[in-house]
Amino acid sequence: DVKVTQSSRYLVKRTGEKVFLECVQDMDHENMFWYRQDPGLGLRLIYFSYDVKMKEKGDIPEGYSVSREKKERFSLILESASTNQTSMYLCASSSNPGNTIYFGEGSWLTVV
Amino acid sequence: TQLLEQSPQFLSIQEGENLTVYCNSSSVFSSLQWYRQEPGEGPVLLVTVVTGGEVKKLKRLTFQFGDARKDSSLHITAAQPGDTGLYLCAGPPPGAQKLVFGQGTRLTINP
Repeated sequence: DVKVTQSSRYLVKRTGEKVFLECVQDMDHENMFWYRQDPGLGLRLIYFSYDVKMKEKGDIPEGYSVSREKKERFSLILESASTNQTSMYLCASSSNPGNTIYFGEGSWLTVV
Repeated sequence: TQLLEQSPQFLSIQEGENLTVYCNSSSVFSSLQWYRQEPGEGPVLLVTVVTGGEVKKLKRLTFQFGDARKDSSLHITAAQPGDTGLYLCAGPPPGAQKLVFGQGTRLTINP
């Protein structure tokens, strides 16, 4: 079975803290994605990566960075968390950018 | 402006009723996908439609891709409480290398 694993399901962080969200996939997929999901706004793409050490900005990259040192792992970094980054974060992977996306279970981040 | 517009955004009906949700765009898509997301989980793929006019069935769910490949619909027959969830359509825009998602239809089936 396809598996995308997000390391933390629920996090509470303080404003200004550095936050790491980790994601691992076991499907040998080239492409990995980070989305955030907010009520009424749907899924918005933050960053994606189509290869190790490669990254591309999505629709809302401001305030975020990513790291892809290994094919199976894609990390989302909030350099200085702010309250407007409180959201559900979803990691995903696919074999091809326009193909089926497999999602992790999500990480709920609350910034206080 | 959303590239994929879903309607309705919210739908609450009684068990046993039929329903249809829509996914519309002004752009032509090479394919469209439908996902379902249950509370507290990530979205899971239900189906991909790739040919204009295509109809796919998944038990009580019927998916249709418009002839012009600009729209899709999901019809559920005899809805059950287990169908409750957020339904998302998605597709690769022309010339793009990533999926875009509609804002979703939140469906509640009441026993």
